[in-house]
Amino acid sequence: EVQLQQSGPELRRPGSSVKLSCKASGYSITDYLMHWVKHRPEHGLEWIGWIDPEDGETKYAQKFQSKATLTADTSSNTAYMQLSSLTSEDTATYFCARSRVSTGDYFDYWGQGVMVTVSS
Amino acid sequence: DIQMTQSPASLSASLGETVTIECRASEDIYNGLAWYQQKPGKSPQLLIYNANSLHTGVPSRFSGSGSGTQYSLKINSLQSEDVASYFCQQYYNYPYTFGAGTKLELK
Repeated sequence: EVQLQQSGPELRRPGSSVKLSCKASGYSITDYLMHWVKHRPEHGLEWIGWIDPEDGETKYAQKFQSKATLTADTSSNTAYMQLSSLTSEDTATYFCARSRVSTGDYFDYWGQGVMVTVSS
Repeated sequence: DIQMTQSPASLSASLGETVTIECRASEDIYNGLAWYQQKPGKSPQLLIYNANSLHTGVPSRFSGSGSGTQYSLKINSLQSEDVASYFCQQYYNYPYTFGAGTKLELK
């Protein structure tokens, strides 16, 4: 059974950073792209970018180019997203989701989401 | 960026009814569109991809159609378990963008 298990909620101070994890099971992360999506109720869903865990190639939405860093550890079948220079605008739920590059970037499995709160 | 305009924002329907949700893209997205269902506290679930292909395991009462800039999701014979939020996503061009969502409730 495919599962994407994300790490627990995070509380951070403004200006700090946070690293979120997304552990895949039921498949090898090298077979799919891993995407990250931001959700704020008042702003809807925003696509952050993807990583190809097979070779480390990444693609970011321009808006998140200097905010997010996507990495992956194939030995642990886990993808990561680091968010830097946190502000209140980064308070959101973040999802990881996979797609198969050969069939189009729709997301057939999503993680459960992780809430990040940025507050002093 | 491609803007996805989804309508209606909310919808109230009766059991057994047919409902339609629409997404309009700001430019042609060549069927690069997916529909998702999200229930409170849960992660989104893929329903439709490539505008009209039913994802594995999704009930056949769900269907997608459209082309160019206009797309729709239809739910036939509404069931209680269909109460959820629905949103569209275009993956034709970067950055991928989402509709604002439709909240479906029972009348």
